[in-house]
Amino acid sequence: DTAVSQTPKYLVTQMGNDKSIKCEQNLGHDTMYWYKQDSKKFLKIMFSYNNKELIINETVPNRFSPKSPDKAHLNLHINSLELGDSAVYFCASSPLGFTEAFFGQGTRLTVV
Amino acid sequence: AQRVTQPEKLLSVFKGAPVELKCNYSYSGSPELFWYVQYSRQRLQLLLRHISRESIKGFTADLNKGETSFHLKKPFAQEEDSAMYYCALSESGGYQKVTFGTGTKLQVIP
Repeated sequence: DTAVSQTPKYLVTQMGNDKSIKCEQNLGHDTMYWYKQDSKKFLKIMFSYNNKELIINETVPNRFSPKSPDKAHLNLHINSLELGDSAVYFCASSPLGFTEAFFGQGTRLTVV
Repeated sequence: AQRVTQPEKLLSVFKGAPVELKCNYSYSGSPELFWYVQYSRQRLQLLLRHISRESIKGFTADLNKGETSFHLKKPFAQEEDSAMYYCALSESGGYQKVTFGTGTKLQVIP
């Protein structure tokens, strides 16, 4: 069984479009994250939710809006996509007390 | 503010040679340190954490609070070790913010 799953795996879209990436975890974890990995493989945290509550909101454009309908899901919605948004986005989850983060397989977003 | 620094973007070693991936951190409290690995076309996964003091796939890492370092070591590199390695730091207690280093690509030359 997949612990953390993201959909879609690949996403190619035009500039200006609005798109969403979904993430689900079946581990019963309280905390979920979104990370961005750019073309140089830099990994940077974007958001963190704990029990549907936003805990961490790094310096991310307002075009990015996370939504957590329940603690097993954390979706990422991006408005007005720009070329610079092209990257791999990773969802992750961890138990409260962070012993380990479990990552999804990533979503490769390409904006053309 | 917490920070994790991996000074090497790329480390190339020959098969059988020792490996040391450097990681330095800055954090005012008592941190928890981790190493994550991402093999080609696979998801990021935990390699080891300092509180476990374990050896995984021949890798070890010792937390040196005096030097604020958590270097990853392996005495004899293998081709399958080629991957992207990330050092990460988590605050202890409360809602943890996990900060990753920028990663080091390890390339093991046959």
